[in-house]
Amino acid sequence: GDSVTQKEGLVTLTEGLPVMLNCTYQTIYSNAFLFWYVHYLNESPRLLLKSSTDNKRTEHQGFHATLHKSSSSFHLQKSSAQLSDSALYYCALSPGYQNFYFGKGTSLTVIP
Amino acid sequence: DTTVKQNPRYKLARVGKPVNLICSQTMNHDTMYWYQKKPNQAPKLLLFYYDKILNREADTFEKFQSSRPNNSFCSLYIGSAGLEYSAMYLCASSRKGRYEQYFGPGTRLTVL
Repeated sequence: GDSVTQKEGLVTLTEGLPVMLNCTYQTIYSNAFLFWYVHYLNESPRLLLKSSTDNKRTEHQGFHATLHKSSSSFHLQKSSAQLSDSALYYCALSPGYQNFYFGKGTSLTVIP
Repeated sequence: DTTVKQNPRYKLARVGKPVNLICSQTMNHDTMYWYQKKPNQAPKLLLFYYDKILNREADTFEKFQSSRPNNSFCSLYIGSAGLEYSAMYLCASSRKGRYEQYFGPGTRLTVL
């Protein structure tokens, strides 16, 4: 069935180091959408990135991700972590219908 | 205004008692979703309304009910709360279903 896997539950990084949060997915639908949502403490989750185009890099607020359908991956990256990036990050999949599937989330903590 | 509102923010309920959670949005989105989020688990889609059509997940079909009296409001109803219903309940809305979801701040339900 459709699913999303985020390997890392907790990631702690020193400020200035690169960020990479892993996301892999399973679906039979070739036209699926992949999303990254960010959830800051005491706020609502909000969309960070989305893509349905194979091998195309999508960027927003310093973060970027490339959907690779060959490897079913949509990893989130940033060149230099900031303290304000500390949050919970969810990868989500919308297959060829209206359902959404979320990964368990990766809690990113950036330390000075 | 891209706000999704949820009431109440915190809810305490007794085992066996009913619970009604409310969500509203003024973006004229045709689809509204309810998710259940437990610690260290992925947000789980419980049900969604596309316009007036309710879609419920097979494994939670009998546990949750919902109504959407108009485009702006959607409720989540638990007829008889059990301890396992303690969780954060997130409401979201979107246009056309497969694109960006806007989330509310959530209602934290504690069942005692």
